[in-house]
Amino acid sequence: QVQLVQSGAEVKKPGASVKVSCKASGYTFTSYGISWVRQAPGQGLEWMGWISAYNGNTNYAQKLQGRVTMTTDTSTSTAYMELRSLRSDDTAVYYCARDIRYGYDAFDIWGQGTMVTVSS
Amino acid sequence: DIQMTQSPSAMSASVGDRVTITCRASQGISNYLAWFQQKPGKVPKRLIYAASSLQSGVPSRFSGSGSGTEFTLTISSLQPEDFATYYCLQHNSYPNTFGQGTKLEIK
Repeated sequence: QVQLVQSGAEVKKPGASVKVSCKASGYTFTSYGISWVRQAPGQGLEWMGWISAYNGNTNYAQKLQGRVTMTTDTSTSTAYMELRSLRSDDTAVYYCARDIRYGYDAFDIWGQGTMVTVSS
Repeated sequence: DIQMTQSPSAMSASVGDRVTITCRASQGISNYLAWFQQKPGKVPKRLIYAASSLQSGVPSRFSGSGSGTEFTLTISSLQPEDFATYYCLQHNSYPNTFGQGTKLEIK
């Protein structure tokens, strides 16, 4: 079946980096992109950015520019999201979601979420 | 950036009630609008895509309408399992933006 499986929970200190993975299966990875969404405790959903699995093109939320990098490995159908210079307000559940640049197959499949805790 | 204004932010209703949630976009987004349901500690689940198309497997009591800047999600007869938080999302242009969410509670 079509699914996205994310890596496990992380605990990081302020100023560190975290890299979350999202492994796709059950569909042609390069026919879609991946969006990353995060949710701080008790808060709403925040779109972080998108990457095309076809050509690696990216589009990041302005507030994260310079701290976030999204990549893909087509040989393993895996997307990655790296966030640097972590702060306490980066504590959140991070989700990947299947997305497509043009069309309606957006956010139909989600990963299970990865809890990232930033604490000294 | 396109702002999505979702209302109400919270509401209480009873089983069997008809409920409507609204999202207003700050500029036209055609019908690139999706609705999601999220229960505590769970992954968001897409209910509606293309503003009015029902996701496979989602009960028919859920419906969506609208185009351009004004959109609604309607639950025709609330069931106990529908008490959750609902979000709209515009994916017409980057950055994609979510509404603030509507927490639907039992009256």
